[in-house]
Amino acid sequence: GIQVEQSPPDLILQEGANSTLRCNFSDSVNNLQWFHQNPWGQLINLFYIPSGTKQNGRLSATTVATERYSLLYISSSQTTDSGVYFCAVERQGATQGGSEKLVFGKGTKLTVNP
Amino acid sequence: DAGITQSPRYKITETGRQVTLMCHQTWSHSYMFWYRQDLGHGLRLIYYSAAADITDKGEVPDGYVVSRSKTENFPLTLESATRSQTSVYFCASSWTELYGYTFGSGTRLTVV
Repeated sequence: GIQVEQSPPDLILQEGANSTLRCNFSDSVNNLQWFHQNPWGQLINLFYIPSGTKQNGRLSATTVATERYSLLYISSSQTTDSGVYFCAVERQGATQGGSEKLVFGKGTKLTVNP
Repeated sequence: DAGITQSPRYKITETGRQVTLMCHQTWSHSYMFWYRQDLGHGLRLIYYSAAADITDKGEVPDGYVVSRSKTENFPLTLESATRSQTSVYFCASSWTELYGYTFGSGTRLTVV
């Protein structure tokens, strides 16, 4: 199946700093999503971005599908940005049903200190 | 309330018992999903449904049963719970398979 690698695994920032999280994937995709899991366990969808660039406030994401990676940018980080950020992908042309549905990476754990 | 809700939030059950986790969404989303989250394994798909009465296995379906008689509900049943099924279970829904997923708050299940 498709492989999803996220880097870095852990990131510690001071409030106000900027950061870039990376997601590499091993095959062409038709579905790529970024999620934030907050310290209370809630999973929040940040972006649906199989290609191109999107922005939402201090967050933006870019997917370069031809080079098989996606980047999540967090600007002027706040303590409420702490948590784990997941990238999830679905292989384009997936034919094996549920085993190829949205596959999650291991995540990047972000800690923003005041 | 609008949204996607899971119940119960916490559940402790004994090995061998049957337990059902509930998931309800109010958007009439076509697609619904069940994931489990475990340390070291991340989030893995158990089952998904493309519409009422249409379900399919995910990556880790063994020991689980689903049904979807109504669009808004997608219950997950553990037929005979085992300790290896101790996990946090998340339900999600989406308009289509190529659309953002919205997750419920999760159910923390402990099998003793």
